[in-house]
Amino acid sequence: GAVVSQHPSRVICKSGTSVKIECRSLDFQATTMFWYRQFPKKSLMLMATSNEGSKATYEQGVEKDKFLINHASLTLSTLTVTSAHPEDSSFYICSAGTGLAGPGAYNEQFFGPGTRLTVL
Amino acid sequence: GDSVTQMEGPVTLSEEAFLTINCTYTATGYPSLFWYVQYPGEGLQLLLKATKADDKGSNKGFEATYRKETTSFHLEKGSVQVSDSAVYFCALFKAAGNKLTFGGGTRVLVKP
Repeated sequence: GAVVSQHPSRVICKSGTSVKIECRSLDFQATTMFWYRQFPKKSLMLMATSNEGSKATYEQGVEKDKFLINHASLTLSTLTVTSAHPEDSSFYICSAGTGLAGPGAYNEQFFGPGTRLTVL
Repeated sequence: GDSVTQMEGPVTLSEEAFLTINCTYTATGYPSLFWYVQYPGEGLQLLLKATKADDKGSNKGFEATYRKETTSFHLEKGSVQVSDSAVYFCALFKAAGNKLTFGGGTRVLVKP
């Protein structure tokens, strides 16, 4: 159980285009989803946290107009990279949590396999 | 801010060798500490955790002890298998902020 999928697994796009990445919790309802970005040989950097039905909370330094996050249902969140540029090339990872442990407690996050974005 | 530092890889060992991956952290308060593992082509999976000082997390033969005095959470396994080849991430969680802070990851390659 607790499987999270991402689609696509890799995408190549031209500079200036927009790319949408989907994150789905396959066998549980995710009240909270997280989006991370990973640079080569670097740690995962949290970009934003989204709760179903409400606006995402972005980390400092992350452009909310560039990285659009939608969490319209308990099983689906999307990240859209708008007007992508080569510097947006990276590995994007989502995770999903049930929130069952309640606020202030650690709610285990289940991670997707990641999406490799290459912007030419 | 909070941070996690772990040894850079890759770490290459032979089957049945002893594995240690060092992890140290910087954080105020009392974070919970975690080790995640990422097998090729898969998402990160929680390997073990410890929520307070001197706690020992263990799973699948791996162990790590929360050492507050040295702010460390080193991962160990006494006899690795080829199937342990993966990338290992150390992480901390603090309730304030509700987010995980990850180390850079350590790639481990176990050769038969």
